[in-house]
Amino acid sequence: DQQVKQNSPSLSVQEGRISILNCDYTNSMFDYFLWYKKYPAEGPTFLISISSIKDKNEDGRFTVFLNKSAKHLSLHIVPSQPGDSAVYFCAASENGGGADGLTFGKGTHLIIQP
Amino acid sequence: AAGVIQSPRHLIKEKRETATLKCYPIPRHDTVYWYQQGPGQDPQFLISFYEKMQSDKGSIPDRFSAQQFSDYHSELNMSSLELGDSALYFCASSLGRRTEAFFGQGTRLTVV
Repeated sequence: DQQVKQNSPSLSVQEGRISILNCDYTNSMFDYFLWYKKYPAEGPTFLISISSIKDKNEDGRFTVFLNKSAKHLSLHIVPSQPGDSAVYFCAASENGGGADGLTFGKGTHLIIQP
Repeated sequence: AAGVIQSPRHLIKEKRETATLKCYPIPRHDTVYWYQQGPGQDPQFLISFYEKMQSDKGSIPDRFSAQQFSDYHSELNMSSLELGDSALYFCASSLGRRTEAFFGQGTRLTVV
């Protein structure tokens, strides 16, 4: 059973607009959530994270929102740039940080159109 | 800046053979993680090491073993390879267990 779900395999957004990537989870023991970006033939690159004690974390153009009651988190990228085109993985952990035992979603392929 | 180095980048093995994947963490990083990503799948956690001791274990088959050496590099040993072991194997490292982890480019293992 998929504990971390990214229901949109792909998302197409116009350059300059906001990209919103969604992620749902089922395990209420998860206490730390991360977003990774992955280009073809490269390893995942850490983007942003959020602890379960927060509901928002912002870093430049990237903001992650966490709704614990709905077991839902989202990544907002604004404004979207061509270099943002990549696969984005949502990941969750019960270990409060790091990369121990991360459970990944299947990823969303974000395509930024000029 | 130095990143996580994985070798080899590509490896082709036959069924029932053995394979050894190597991971060299970022200098001074003491924690190493191994993940397996099958075709069209999300990455699955295999195992991690902190200060040369196993710290967490995920869905690593009994045919696989791993260790972290005194210089903090890690090796994933895979025996009796099966077709289903064909995947991208990622290694990541971090300084401490609760900090940001950096992934390597992965080793693509193909079992034929």
